[in-house]
Amino acid sequence: GAGVSQTPSNKVTEKGKYVELRCDPISGHTALYWYRQSLGQGPEFLIYFQGTGAADDSGLPNDRFFAVRPEGSVSTLKIQRTERGDSAVYLCASSPGTSGGRGEQFFGPGTRLTVL
Amino acid sequence: AQSVTQPDIHITVSEGASLELRCNYSYGATPYLFWYVQSPGQGLQLLLKYFSGDTLVQGIKGFEAEFKRSQSSFNLRKPSVHWSDAAEYFCACTGGFKTIFGAGTRLFVKA
Repeated sequence: GAGVSQTPSNKVTEKGKYVELRCDPISGHTALYWYRQSLGQGPEFLIYFQGTGAADDSGLPNDRFFAVRPEGSVSTLKIQRTERGDSAVYLCASSPGTSGGRGEQFFGPGTRLTVL
Repeated sequence: AQSVTQPDIHITVSEGASLELRCNYSYGATPYLFWYVQSPGQGLQLLLKYFSGDTLVQGIKGFEAEFKRSQSSFNLRKPSVHWSDAAEYFCACTGGFKTIFGAGTRLFVKA
């Protein structure tokens, strides 16, 4: 079946602009995660959704970052007033069930964000 | 606080040789532990996981890992490395809803 998809695959923007990154999880997966991966680092947890609600958003670095999942499927990560330090690969993962991060996570290919 | 340390930034092994990648975690309770692999242009793929029970867990592609509570370690091993194993390997620990990843170890395989 189809895996996790993320669009766009690459996004180049200018400092101060607003961007939206989209994640389509595996059909039927109720859990969805966003991570940020900087060069030479492991994925950094941003937010976890169970259904439509954010069960843990403690990883969002500041209030410029916001994520939604209005119908419990597709999720959008929104970044306002982008800064050069936001440049990274943003990863989305989904998982069946309600066990939080304790279940296997299926990762998408990521969106590479470059802020000029 | 929850943390994961992978002491080796990169490791080079000869094809056919054995491999051990180190991982140390810090978590107050019994953690859920994972190893993921990331190949160039590919997404992260789960190799194996430990939740409870037998401390030696088997994964895909011939990998195994051993959970040692006394050492707070979850090292990944493979008895004979293939050239296709060259990739970045990440150890991860989940407590509650949050998964923390180590910085990764890049594996190079020489002929």
